[in-house]
Amino acid sequence: SYELTQPPSVSVSPGQTAIIPCSGEKLGDRYASWYRQKPGQSPVVVIFQDTKRPSGIPERFSGSNSGNTATLTISGTQAMDEADYYCQAWDTSSVIFGGGTKLTVL
Amino acid sequence: EVQLEESGGGLVRPGGSLRLSCAASGFTFSNYSMNWVRQAPGKGLEWVSSISSRSNYIYYADSVKGRFTISRDNADNSLYLQMNSLRADDTAIYYCAREFAIQLWTQTGEVYYYYYMDVWGKGTTVTVSS
Repeated sequence: SYELTQPPSVSVSPGQTAIIPCSGEKLGDRYASWYRQKPGQSPVVVIFQDTKRPSGIPERFSGSNSGNTATLTISGTQAMDEADYYCQAWDTSSVIFGGGTKLTVL
Repeated sequence: EVQLEESGGGLVRPGGSLRLSCAASGFTFSNYSMNWVRQAPGKGLEWVSSISSRSNYIYYADSVKGRFTISRDNADNSLYLQMNSLRADDTAIYYCAREFAIQLWTQTGEVYYYYYMDVWGKGTTVTVSS
C-alpha cells in the first residue's frame, strides 16, 4: 500500500523559513494537499493541488511537489504557525495521510 | 456559513456498535462526496471511508472494511457511519469532511477530477473500552 513519510518534528525561529517535506514513491506524479491542525482543533487545508492556497491562508504558505517529495514551505514563520502539519495524497480510491510533522516555533 | 457537525460518539464496550451522524448545512450537500477521518489519541489522521454524492461509489480503509458502513441521506443533509464489532484501536475522534472536486484535463483532453477535503467538522469522540 502507498505510504507518505514526514519527519516527526521541525523547529524554526520566528521570522525564518520552515520547510516540511513529505516523501512517497513517485509522489510528484500525484497531487498533494497539506493540512494544518492546531491543538484541540480540526484540520484546515493550507495547500491543495501541490501549490494552491485556499482563500484566507496567508501568502507565506507555499507548496511544491516533484520526484518523490512534496514540500510545504512557510516563509517568515510566526508563532501562530505552530501546529501539526499533514500531507495527503490519493492512492487509487483511498486517501493517504502522512504521519504528521509537529512544527515548533522557538 | 458552510458547516459540518458530528454527533453520536460515546463510550462503548469492545464488540459493541455505534452510529455516528454528520449534519451538513450552508451548502448543497447532494453535490459533494463526503469522508470520515479519525484521529486516535495523540496520533495522526487516518482516513476511514468515503461516499460519492449519490452513494454509488463507497470506499473503506482496510482497518474498518467489513465492520463499518458509510451511508448518507441527501434529503436530510446527513452523513452516517455505522460502526460494528468495535475494538479498542477504534478509539478516536471521528471527523466528517467534505470533498471538493477540481476538474482537470489530461494532455489528450480527457477530463479527470482532483479532490481535497475543504471543510471539516469539529469531530465526535468514540471510546471503546470495557
